Amino acid sequence: ENVLTQSPGTLSLSPGERATLSCRASQSVDSIYLAWYQQKPGQAPRLLIYGASSRATGIPDRFSGSGSGTDFTLTISRLEPEDFALYYCQQYNTSPRTFGQGTKLEIK
Amino acid sequence: QVQLVQSGAEVKKPGASVKVSCKASGYTFTGYYMHWVRQAPGQGLEWMAWINPNDGDTGYAQEFQGRVTMTRDTSITTAYMELSRLRSDDTAVYYCARAGSITSLPGALDIWGQGTMVIVSS
Repeated sequence: ENVLTQSPGTLSLSPGERATLSCRASQSVDSIYLAWYQQKPGQAPRLLIYGASSRATGIPDRFSGSGSGTDFTLTISRLEPEDFALYYCQQYNTSPRTFGQGTKLEIK
Repeated sequence: QVQLVQSGAEVKKPGASVKVSCKASGYTFTGYYMHWVRQAPGQGLEWMAWINPNDGDTGYAQEFQGRVTMTRDTSITTAYMELSRLRSDDTAVYYCARAGSITSLPGALDIWGQGTMVIVSS
């Protein structure tokens, strides 16, 4: 299976700062099959980015995705208080459709 | 609006089975794949399986083969996930989530149910 490794495990930043989250795959992923999700405590995940770089409906443009092959990045340009949450990447190119272990974005 | 509404929390004993439902509304149920993902307490997301609601075709993560059964009832736009031979480490929140159109390339999980807590305890 394609193992996705996210880094860092925890990212401590302040509102207004820029956040860069990484997702590295053990096997190459066709970029059209890489997604990012946000999850807040007690809530279901929410799709942020699909196809590595396309924002889902209603997602603010401060969220952007990039990358190809085995290395992908989620960038939040200017952190808002509501952005502090858990973030997961997922590949949906091959079965099983694996998730990364998550990055916790916390307020510094 | 497009939404998925799941059945309520369950408490089961080890060795029992649980069946979770996922009622879809606001879109053509048979036009989109449905996936199931679980999350153990304090842990990450774990992909389990998918079903094509149009023809009932299914796919499973290997670790759930033989224990999970995906079905659907198109007359009431509802998908079901049944997990058998429950163990304590099956305690988790189980989510259904809509994926891409059955007529196009695989899609991300764009609509999620609210989750169903399943507790396995003697």
